[in-house]
Amino acid sequence: RKEVEQDPGPFNVPEGATVAFNCTYSNSASQSFFWYRQDCRKEPKLLMSVYSSGNEDGRFTAQLNRASQYISLLIRDSKLSDSATYLCVVTKVYSGYALNFGKGTSLLVTP
Amino acid sequence: NAGVTQTPKFQVLKTGQSMTLQCAQDMNHEYMSWYRQDPGMGLRLIHYSVGAGITDQGEVPNGYNVSRSTTEDFPLRLLSAAPSQTSVYFCASSSPPSGRGETQYFGPGTRLLVL
Repeated sequence: RKEVEQDPGPFNVPEGATVAFNCTYSNSASQSFFWYRQDCRKEPKLLMSVYSSGNEDGRFTAQLNRASQYISLLIRDSKLSDSATYLCVVTKVYSGYALNFGKGTSLLVTP
Repeated sequence: NAGVTQTPKFQVLKTGQSMTLQCAQDMNHEYMSWYRQDPGMGLRLIHYSVGAGITDQGEVPNGYNVSRSTTEDFPLRLLSAAPSQTSVYFCASSSPPSGRGETQYFGPGTRLLVL
């Protein structure tokens, strides 16, 4: 079983829609959690960190449930520019802060 | 401030050839790592380093060597290229974790094709 699991999608949504991505992780000792965004053929870039209390950055809201080992990302009022692959990322416990990536969820926002 | 740079951007190798993928960062980060990204597999950790002179294996280290003689550079060596090493390779760096979710910065990637 992969350590970080995501629904691969693709998610096709119209502009203005709200879309939610889910992610589960298997190692209960994981320490830090992130959502990264990756545009086609580009490097991943940090979208936001995820905290147990939940956190929001503009149209993006991230939630962490440590008991269920579950992470979510909510995008409100989707824009065309949100089209990308969203990567759920968890720090490995024993590897000097290297990241453990989910396979990513593809989002396409259409006019 | 260039961030993380990788060279070359593209490379074609023949089976059995060796080469070195270069990675450099100018942010004085102690942590550096190499990932490969394959379709349907996501990014997988090859090797990582927590400081100059210290390296360790990641999830898929076979066929690759690394060294870290300076804080800035973290080259990845393919010893004898195989078609299974056809992939996109990303180098990343970050400062040590403090529990606040430090950003890892990625280079633009090297696209490698092994024939």
